[in-house]
Amino acid sequence: AQKITQTQPGMFVQEKEAVTLDCTYDTSDPSYGLFWYKQPSSGEMIFLIYQGSYDQQNATEGRYSLNFQKARKSANLVISASQLGDSAMYFCAMRESGNDYKLSFGAGTTVTVRA
Amino acid sequence: GAVVSQHPSWVICKSGTSVKIECRSLDFQATTMFWYRQFPKQSLMLMATSNEGSKATYEQGVEKDKFLINHASLTLSTLTVTSAHPEDSSFYICSAREAGTPHWEQYFGPGTRLTVT
Repeated sequence: AQKITQTQPGMFVQEKEAVTLDCTYDTSDPSYGLFWYKQPSSGEMIFLIYQGSYDQQNATEGRYSLNFQKARKSANLVISASQLGDSAMYFCAMRESGNDYKLSFGAGTTVTVRA
Repeated sequence: GAVVSQHPSWVICKSGTSVKIECRSLDFQATTMFWYRQFPKQSLMLMATSNEGSKATYEQGVEKDKFLINHASLTLSTLTVTSAHPEDSSFYICSAREAGTPHWEQYFGPGTRLTVT
């Protein structure tokens, strides 16, 4: 079964607007972590934000915030005030406890920011 | 943040030959390293996990005799693609973490693009 689902293959967003990238996950483990990574065309994986399953507050890092809805098993990424440099592929990933820190990745969402 | 390097960044090899990709942690001890494979516009698929000094643990469906992983030191892991074929052409990415650090700290290398002709 797919552990991480990203249903948006591609999105367009106008510069300076906000964009929400969807991510749902499937796990029966009570302890897990959720990650978002950015992968520009150069290929490197850039860590954006992390949310632990026991964290009470939604994670935020600069223009990135994670909308964590535990009961719905969703961990959407919100990018505020989009910039042209935000154009990239974005991956949601999950780590479950006791699995040697392995990450399961979603299919990714390509974001294109328009001027 | 911690830095992970990969060498080479891209490589072209002929079908039937072997190619070695290195993954190095530059400023921390990589007790665990992961190797991923990514086809164009697709997700990262974990190939194997290696702990320093131990044999790698391969994910289901990954041929261990074809993708040889060695993690002989705390700063270096290598992935050797043996008898490469065009279908092995892909982007290979490693990541590394250090024991005792927060579990969200995992650092990715810049990737190696392999083309088999």
